[in-house]
Amino acid sequence: EIVLTQSPATLSLSPGERATLSCRASQSVSNYLAWYQQKPGQAPRLLIYDASNRATDIPARFSGSGSGTDFTLTISSLEPEDFAVYYCQHRTNWPFTFGPGTKVDI
Amino acid sequence: EVQLVESGGGLVQPGGSLRLSCSASGFIFSHSAMHWVRQAPGKGLKCISRINSNGGNPESADSVKGRFTISRDNSKNTLYLQMSSLRPEDTAVYFCVRFTGKAFDIWGQGTMVTV
Repeated sequence: EIVLTQSPATLSLSPGERATLSCRASQSVSNYLAWYQQKPGQAPRLLIYDASNRATDIPARFSGSGSGTDFTLTISSLEPEDFAVYYCQHRTNWPFTFGPGTKVDI
Repeated sequence: EVQLVESGGGLVQPGGSLRLSCSASGFIFSHSAMHWVRQAPGKGLKCISRINSNGGNPESADSVKGRFTISRDNSKNTLYLQMSSLRPEDTAVYFCVRFTGKAFDIWGQGTMVTV
């Protein structure tokens, strides 16, 4: 099973600041990595797939990069609605796994 | 409107059984691979079962293998998860999710199972 590690666990920032979230895989996942946003009491929402492709209706301030074992989600300028937990997830083989999440708080 | 609606969660005693259902609408369910993902209270996300568009190749994570069975009825646009021999560690919100081949793009609101 591929293990995904996310850092930092918590990122404390202010609106307008840049957020940089990291996801590292225990072995290569090629570019088969997605990012999700989850707010309290809600289901996750797909942000990025295949490492760098924004999902439908996702604002351009969200971007993803990386390949192999190291990936980054960047939020260029935080909006108030961006404060949430972010998860990475691979689809290289079964079982697909998620990272433990990074909480972005104010 | 594209949506997935889960039902069937609730409180069950250890060793008991429960069947979750997920009703799909707004997209071609019979063309979609589907998964169940769960989230224990205050914890992260875990993929537990998947099934391809025609009901073939059902597969489960080791933690539920032999206890949980995923199935679907494309004539009813419905996904199921039959859970048996439930344990306290199975307590979680269970999400029904569509897999595009690249990512999970449609999520239900989740149904809570408490063991």
